[in-house]
Amino acid sequence: QKEVEQNSGPLSVPEGAIASLNCTYSDRGSQSFFWYRQYSGKSPELIMSIYSNGDKEDGRFTAQLNKASQYVSLLIRDSQPSDSATYLCAVNPGGGSNYKLTFGKGTLLTVNP
Amino acid sequence: ETGVTQSPTHLIKTRGQQVTLRCSSQSGHNTVSWYQQALGQGPQFIFQYYREEENGRGNFPPRFSGLQFPNYSSELNVNALELDDSALYLCASSRRTGGMTTDTQYFGPGTRLTVL
Repeated sequence: QKEVEQNSGPLSVPEGAIASLNCTYSDRGSQSFFWYRQYSGKSPELIMSIYSNGDKEDGRFTAQLNKASQYVSLLIRDSQPSDSATYLCAVNPGGGSNYKLTFGKGTLLTVNP
Repeated sequence: ETGVTQSPTHLIKTRGQQVTLRCSSQSGHNTVSWYQQALGQGPQFIFQYYREEENGRGNFPPRFSGLQFPNYSSELNVNALELDDSALYLCASSRRTGGMTTDTQYFGPGTRLTVL
């Protein structure tokens, strides 16, 4: 069973702090990695995509990928109450299954004013 | 806003009934994927349509079926509804060219299905 694992949380951080969200995946051949944000009752919204080892920064968000450790993370700097949501890690397995995304269960982030 | 639309927004059905959910893809996108998201879970892949054909399928029974139309819009049909089919159904739009890996997927607002 090819899986994506995330801490379910909740992760609680004060406003202005750095929130760190982590994800591990089991399929070593996975090629594409995505972070989605999902507000309660809404659909997932793409935040970041990352394909190569290392860091990728976009505004307050930084995605980090380590394929050797099968680990991907999302850092949110200067966290705001509006960042409070569930963050979903998604992996494209590549190869013969390159048509789909496999999601983790998500991590609930709460940013306290 | 992603430009992906879904209808209806909410739907209530009873066990054994059939349901059709609809999705219009984002402009420039030719591929539609369907996911089921149960409460407290991540989305689970149902199937994907590309060039009006099913391109891949997750672990869902045959009573889950779909269509894609020439304008790239898509339908998800579920027959013989069961209580466990109650979930948020998400359509994701993406662009695929030739044999390349499906590009980034963008989600519509979803259809909330309740089966009583």
